[in-house]
Amino acid sequence: AQSVTQLGSHVSVSEGALVLLRCNYSSSVPPYLFWYVQYPNQGLQLLLKYTTGATLVKGINGFEAEFKKSETSFHLTKPSAHMSDAAEYFCAVTEGGGATNKLIFGTGTLLAVQP
Amino acid sequence: DVKVTQSSRYLVKRTGEKVFLECVQDMDHENMFWYRQDPGLGLRLIYFSYDVKMKEKGDIPEGYSVSREKKERFSLILESASTNQTSMYLCASTPGTNDRVWGNTIYFGEGSWLTVV
Repeated sequence: AQSVTQLGSHVSVSEGALVLLRCNYSSSVPPYLFWYVQYPNQGLQLLLKYTTGATLVKGINGFEAEFKKSETSFHLTKPSAHMSDAAEYFCAVTEGGGATNKLIFGTGTLLAVQP
Repeated sequence: DVKVTQSSRYLVKRTGEKVFLECVQDMDHENMFWYRQDPGLGLRLIYFSYDVKMKEKGDIPEGYSVSREKKERFSLILESASTNQTSMYLCASTPGTNDRVWGNTIYFGEGSWLTVV
């Protein structure tokens, strides 16, 4: 079965610094890949997704992620952190390449942004 | 604007009570989901539904049931609430047929915080 690993449950960066949140998945079958953000006391909001095509995906709020099949990774980056980026971030993948009932979530990474 | 509404944001219930969590979407989506979210465990799928009166178990269905009598409404039922069901519950929906669900964006409600005492 598919699984998702997010390295680092807590990440702290300074305002203006690079944000890098790591996500690795386990399947040899290329899945669909997603990053979601959750602000305090809110539901999840889609940041970006990869289904097919270009492996560098741009999302909202200046975030982007690159699908690297050889590394089974889908790391999330942002060149310059803002205070408003402080939130919890979830990586998610489909089980079985998109034609499936399940979306598998990682355990989340809480991003803190220091002034 | 797309809207998934969870009618109760915060609930406190007693052990053994029957609990209903309601979710309504206004987007005519075929697919609806219930997740629970716990610190360090991410989101785990409880049940999902692809159509009216249709339901399938997710990863952690024990202690829960669901009802989908109308397309826009998907209810989660805790038959006899227990303290280990204290959690945040998230409803979600997405359009699409069975074989291409995830090409579409999934929309989440704001969550229902349930405390069982």
